Amino acid sequence: DVKVTQSSRYLVKRTGEKVFLECVQDMDHENMFWYRQDPGLGLRLIYFSYDVKMKEKGDIPEGYSVSREKKERFSLILESASTNQTSMYLCASSGGTRDIQYFGAGTRLSVL
Amino acid sequence: QKEVEQDPGPLSVPEGAIVSLNCTYSNSAFQYFMWYRQYSRKGPELLMYTYSSGNKEDGRFTAQVDKSSKYISLFIRDSQPSDSATYLCAMSEGANNLFFGTGTRLTVIP
Repeated sequence: DVKVTQSSRYLVKRTGEKVFLECVQDMDHENMFWYRQDPGLGLRLIYFSYDVKMKEKGDIPEGYSVSREKKERFSLILESASTNQTSMYLCASSGGTRDIQYFGAGTRLSVL
Repeated sequence: QKEVEQDPGPLSVPEGAIVSLNCTYSNSAFQYFMWYRQYSRKGPELLMYTYSSGNKEDGRFTAQVDKSSKYISLFIRDSQPSDSATYLCAMSEGANNLFFGTGTRLTVIP
């Protein structure tokens, strides 16, 4: 079974803090994705990566950055957290041509 | 106009009912179609996967794709309380990125 592991289930941070969300997959997938999920808005793509050290902006990259130094690990960074970044963050990975994405359990981030 | 439209519900049905969940889309290049199930405070998990048009059945679940109408459906027969979740449709052109519906919240009442 594909396993996508997100380092934290719940995080509480203060406004202005730098926040790191970590994601690791164990299936040697080339593609990794970060989404945020908000009620009524569904899943919105923040950033994705097709290979090590490569990154592409998604639909809502503002206020975020990413890092992919190793194939299995994809990190999302909030440089200076703001209250409007309170959300559920989901990491996913995919490989091959069928585009099926496998998700982690999510990190529920609260910025106070 | 969003690429994928999905009625957010919520939808409440009695146990044993047949449930129909639907999505419409605008991009005729979509050829891979998926349904994900997401339990509260969990990540989405793949439920059904279909390539191009047609039906696919897996136990109590049937996925249907009508590319001519740009319409996909998920049917759940003999619904159970354990089916209570949010169901997300997703689709792609085969270029790695998925386009998601906003999800339909389903509650099956015992």
